[in-house]
Amino acid sequence: ETGVTQTPRHLVMGMTNKKSLKCEQHLGHNAMYWYKQSAKKPLELMFVYSLEERVENNSVPSRFSPECPNSSHLFLHLHTLQPEDSALYLCASSQDTGDLRSNYGYTFGSGTRLTVV
Amino acid sequence: QKEVEQNSGPLSVPEGAIASLNCTYSDRGSQSFFWYRQYSGKSPELIMFIYSNGDKEDGRFTAQLNKASQYVSLLIRDSQPSDSATYLCAVIKAAGNKLTFGGGTRVLVKP
Repeated sequence: ETGVTQTPRHLVMGMTNKKSLKCEQHLGHNAMYWYKQSAKKPLELMFVYSLEERVENNSVPSRFSPECPNSSHLFLHLHTLQPEDSALYLCASSQDTGDLRSNYGYTFGSGTRLTVV
Repeated sequence: QKEVEQNSGPLSVPEGAIASLNCTYSDRGSQSFFWYRQYSGKSPELIMFIYSNGDKEDGRFTAQLNKASQYVSLLIRDSQPSDSATYLCAVIKAAGNKLTFGGGTRVLVKP
């Protein structure tokens, strides 16, 4: 496996269900991110983990709960979601070197298309 | 004011022509600038990175940065139908900080 892998690719869940999205990066990066992409809206940053510590939570509702057990794995636990949470959820990773001249480009996974019914 | 603004398009370009995409950003502290390409139903893919004023060329792509005017642009030369996608502009304010995206410009290259 190379790059950033996300599972599942598609998920349909009811509003009372509990599910988890999984992300794994094979790039040796030290930072991982969850983004939400809804139709006709910019990519929204949800969570940032750097060196396995959460460094940012962009006012995301508590029904989304991230977990980063190590630098290669990132989870997003979902419970009691709303239909408006239906979106593409993207995981990304990057290497934060502290040098602006380095390429900070994030590598994205293929995403999980979530539908809440 | 949005942090990163792009014209949503679609930008219709004849095959072989130059596609010109613009992006403006609000925070003067922004340091690094990226262009991603996203095909429908796929994840974003990094195509260009720039942090110094001026031009940066990579194959058919040229990124142009003007920090004084707070804009960054992307030129696609010899546009091909395979270039039809949404192009996302993104900025980082400082080292280690988050990547903030614009809404994207949809480009359609017509044969």
